[in-house]
Amino acid sequence: GENVEQHPSTLSVQEGDSAVIKCTYSDSASNYFPWYKQELGKRPQLIIDIRSNVGEKKDQRIAVTLNKTAKHFSLHITETQPEDSAVYFCAASRRSGGYNKLIFGAGTRLAVHP
Amino acid sequence: DGGITQSPKYLFRKEGQNVTLSCEQNLNHDAMYWYRQDPGQGLRLIYYSQIVNDFQKGDIAEGYSVSREKKESFPLTVTSAQKNPTAFYLCASSLSGTAYEQYFGPGTRLTVT
Repeated sequence: GENVEQHPSTLSVQEGDSAVIKCTYSDSASNYFPWYKQELGKRPQLIIDIRSNVGEKKDQRIAVTLNKTAKHFSLHITETQPEDSAVYFCAASRRSGGYNKLIFGAGTRLAVHP
Repeated sequence: DGGITQSPKYLFRKEGQNVTLSCEQNLNHDAMYWYRQDPGQGLRLIYYSQIVNDFQKGDIAEGYSVSREKKESFPLTVTSAQKNPTAFYLCASSLSGTAYEQYFGPGTRLTVT
C-alpha cells in the first residue's frame, strides 16, 4: 500500500539557519502533499501544501518543492526562529473508493536554538 | 483553529472498559476522520465518514467503532478489544470526501491502565 517516509526524524538548527525536511512517497497516483506543524500537546496545523501540477510553492519563510519523477517532496524553512520548534508531518494523498485520504510520514522534531 | 472540538482533553479508563471520544464540528464539512497518534509515529487512520450514516474502516480499525448520525458529530468508541488503546486521538474534517485539506481538532489523550 501507500507509504510515506520522512527524514530526518530529528533536526536541530541555530536560529537564523535554514531547515530542510524530506519525504518520499510510493504511490504515483498521489497528487496532493500537505505539511502540518504540531506544537507540543496541540493539534496539527496545515502550514503549506502543494499539488502535483506545481513544482514549488512559497509562503513567506516556508516553501515546498515537489519532484514527481523521483516521488519526493521537501519542506524548506528559512531564517528559522525559536517559534518554529515543533514536530512537522508530511502527507501524501491516496485515492480510495472515489475519496481522498492522507497517508502521513512519521514526523520530524525540529528544534531551533537561540 | 476553531470549528472542531474534541472532549475531553484527557481521559483515563480501566482496562476492559469501553470509552467514547467526542468530536463535533460546525464547519459544515461533510467528511470526518479519526486518527491515532503514537510517539515517534505518524497519524494513522482509524475510521472515516464521507457523509451522514456512512463510514468506512481505515488502516487500523480493529477494536474501534464509530457512528455518524449527524453531520456535525463523529464519536469514536474504543472498545475493550483494542489491545493498545493508550494514545493521542485526533479528529479531523474536510469539506467533502473528495476535498484534500483536512483540519484537526485539539485531540484527546486516552490512558488505559
